[in-house]
Amino acid sequence: NSKVIQTPRYLVKGQGQKAKMRCIPEKGHPVVFWYQQNKNNEFKFLINFQNQEVLQQIDMTEKRFSAECPSNSPCSLEIQSSEAGDSALYLCASSPGLFAETLYFGSGTRLTVL
Amino acid sequence: QQKVQQSPESLSVPEGGMASLNCTSSDRNFQYFWWYRQHSGEGPKALMSIFSDGDKKEGRFTAHLNKASLHVSLHIRDSQPSDSALYFCAATPGTGSNRLTFGKGTKFSLIP
Repeated sequence: NSKVIQTPRYLVKGQGQKAKMRCIPEKGHPVVFWYQQNKNNEFKFLINFQNQEVLQQIDMTEKRFSAECPSNSPCSLEIQSSEAGDSALYLCASSPGLFAETLYFGSGTRLTVL
Repeated sequence: QQKVQQSPESLSVPEGGMASLNCTSSDRNFQYFWWYRQHSGEGPKALMSIFSDGDKKEGRFTAHLNKASLHVSLHIRDSQPSDSALYFCAATPGTGSNRLTFGKGTKFSLIP
């Protein structure tokens, strides 16, 4: 069973609504990733963190998407104003480090934007 | 251009059969490769990593890497019903943020 915990499993929002999902990384893993997996099963990297600091993020993330990994709290990914094209599986992963380390994924949050 | 290409898109074999999945990178910076497996309704799970030329075997799974051609393959022997899943090849330069780039996946299923 995955040790990366994502909540909620399913999220349904109307267009323009906020959508927020959370992730508890595996214990001892300082690096956290968010990926979006679309209906064609394609992965898109969104953002990653080392501890609380952002390492990389894509342009899309900088606009409507926001994410954080506060100390002693779950990481979160929030979409400020949901669009139909945001409907996807959002996957959180954690890893023990930054050099060629395996990413361990949670089960994901399935977002549907009506 | 997709930096990590996988083939075939789908593959079916009889139970107990052998299967081969392929992956090629077009980015010579990608030196570290993984195979991930994703069952329906779950997140992807790492099957194995391979970083050096040659073969790496874990149980019924064998990965092969050719760094010169940036080609990596996954061979599954004695296919079981639990092997039916999506298989993804992923790669990273191994430096910086450890960000993985994924291929589009191969849908693997058993012929009933």
